[in-house]
Amino acid sequence: DGGITQSPKYLFRKEGQNVTLSCEQNLNHDAMYWYRQDPGQGLRLIYYSQIVNDFQKGDIAEGYSVSREKKESFPLTVTSAQKNPTAFYLCASSGHSSGRNTGELFFGEGSRLTVL
Amino acid sequence: QKEVEQNSGPLSVPEGAIASLNCTYSDRGSQSFFWYRQYSGKSPELIMFIYSNGDKEDGRFTAQLNKASQYVSLLIRDSQPSDSATYLCAVLGFQKLVFGTGTRLLVSP
Repeated sequence: DGGITQSPKYLFRKEGQNVTLSCEQNLNHDAMYWYRQDPGQGLRLIYYSQIVNDFQKGDIAEGYSVSREKKESFPLTVTSAQKNPTAFYLCASSGHSSGRNTGELFFGEGSRLTVL
Repeated sequence: QKEVEQNSGPLSVPEGAIASLNCTYSDRGSQSFFWYRQYSGKSPELIMFIYSNGDKEDGRFTAQLNKASQYVSLLIRDSQPSDSATYLCAVLGFQKLVFGTGTRLLVSP
């Protein structure tokens, strides 16, 4: 089945450690996104990529890094520089129509990161 | 002013009633609007999108768009307890979606 796979679902980290969240899609979508969700704050965009080997900062990119070496994969690294990393992280992808982003996002199941 | 605003709720309706969820947006040039449903602890799923002024119906769901007033709404007819979730309004900006904070809907049996 086509879809987006995020791993791990749950992750615990000690302060000062970097962690990498995996996101893989087999939908053949060009665009991929990382969102962070905190209680009562909706979804906030961390990074997005419209095409392989290119990505842009979203609204809250500080303390995070990404790579897009393959169309299928868009991993997110939460670095020790992120002040408050405990959150629910969502990866999403979307296709294009006539070269334009359709805006219809397909989400993975999410990764819940807790910093101890 | 937030780009996309929603009342956080909760909005409580009895089973069988019509639930009305509202959203306003600030970018007058926005062209595409979306409603996502998110159950507690789960990821969002797209339930409706609308591009043109007026109403768009899909089963029990109706999306309404008024670009002049910069207003989008979602009506859920014959509400069911399984509709209890957070509903996220999203507006397509340049290359990315901007989400509201969501409205929590509670449908009581």
